Amino acid sequence: GAVVSQHPSRVICKSGTSVKIECRSLDFQATTMFWYRQFPKQSLMLMATSNEGSKATYEQGVEKDKFLINHASLTLSTLTVTSAHPEDSSFYICRGQGSNTEAFFGQGTRLTVV
Amino acid sequence: QQQVKQSPQSLIVQKGGISIINCAYENTAFDYFPWYQQFPGKGPALLIAIRPDVSEKKEGRFTISFNKSAKQFSLHIMDSQPGDSATYFCAASIQTSGSRLTFGEGTQLTVNP
Repeated sequence: GAVVSQHPSRVICKSGTSVKIECRSLDFQATTMFWYRQFPKQSLMLMATSNEGSKATYEQGVEKDKFLINHASLTLSTLTVTSAHPEDSSFYICRGQGSNTEAFFGQGTRLTVV
Repeated sequence: QQQVKQSPQSLIVQKGGISIINCAYENTAFDYFPWYQQFPGKGPALLIAIRPDVSEKKEGRFTISFNKSAKQFSLHIMDSQPGDSATYFCAASIQTSGSRLTFGEGTQLTVNP
């Protein structure tokens, strides 16, 4: 099946710094990328939806200036957590959707802010 | 109306037994019902999915039962194995809305040897 490669799988950063998470669709063109956040033992919470070449649509309560999403190409989308704080520590997962195809999750990124 | 309710929160079964996880939804516009399996520290992986035009779908040891009138669907794992121990999420979406999923709360399955 199609693959969405997400990197890094784990990252530890200092409070106040920024972290970039990348998701690449390896064998299909992801026209849409969904970004989720998951706290321990909880379900996935949709943060934002981005379409290639357009601005992302953020869910209610998600700060767009804190969670910057770029989807400049059909194979790459990035999520940048700016000025990270310990409460941003979580598991972030992308999900790529192509035209008329099933959507596929990335492997997830465990972010720890210290 | 967008919620998907999932139960139980956790489930322990013996090897060889049947694991059953249930989900209920409210929005009758949902037309796609996938189940995902997630191992610790990994992204969810699609296990099996069903559309409301059929009442049952089977793939290997995994079966989805769908009851449109009751707005319920369930996952059955036959001959459960320790390797099936994971968190399972049901989900629902309206396909014309661009594959936006509404997830259940998740079920942590433990299969004892």
